[in-house]
Amino acid sequence: GQNIDQPTEMTATEGAIVQINCTYQTSGFNGLFWYQQHAGEAPTFLSYNVLDGLEEKGRFSSFLSRSKGYSYLLLKELQMKDSASYLCAVRDSNYQLIWGAGTKLIIKP
Amino acid sequence: IAGITQAPTSQILAAGRRMTLRCTQDMRHNAMYWYRQDLGLGLRLIHYSNTAGTTGKGEVPDGYSVSRANTDDFPLTLASAVPSQTSVYFCASSEGPEGNQPQHFGDGTRLSIL
Repeated sequence: GQNIDQPTEMTATEGAIVQINCTYQTSGFNGLFWYQQHAGEAPTFLSYNVLDGLEEKGRFSSFLSRSKGYSYLLLKELQMKDSASYLCAVRDSNYQLIWGAGTKLIIKP
Repeated sequence: IAGITQAPTSQILAAGRRMTLRCTQDMRHNAMYWYRQDLGLGLRLIHYSNTAGTTGKGEVPDGYSVSRANTDDFPLTLASAVPSQTSVYFCASSEGPEGNQPQHFGDGTRLSIL
């Protein structure tokens, strides 16, 4: 079967750095997406990786290793507004997104 | 502002009733999707449409039907609602199923089946 694993919850301090990991086992791979979802709101797109390596976008970076079935989302200079769930999704061989259950990130002052 | 509109925002429905969730996008995206999101689970694909006139089944299609008569609209129908269909339903769209273009989401419909 297909599986996306992420930690259920993480806590970090305002101003710090946090890394959210995602491991996947899917039938085929056609890209990996990270989304942010604030409570009660819709998911919003953060980043996309299809080749190995690091993609940087402001305070957020995303890394991919296809051989290891592994990605992480790195958030720097954490702000209170970063408190949200972070969803990892892999596009499989049928070009459908398989979603992880999400990591709830709690930022403390 | 361009985007995806879902209606209703929330609904309480008696079991056995028929219900249609509406979804409209004005971005001229080819592909559209319906997901349900339940606590502790990832988003699960119900049905999708890669282009107007075509639809496909996702991971959890039973009890749901869709149609795609035009580019903009992608309604989801529950023919006879059951309590296990209580969930938050998200409609999404993308330029196409391939490439680096992300899916954009509507604000969701919170549906409770009693």
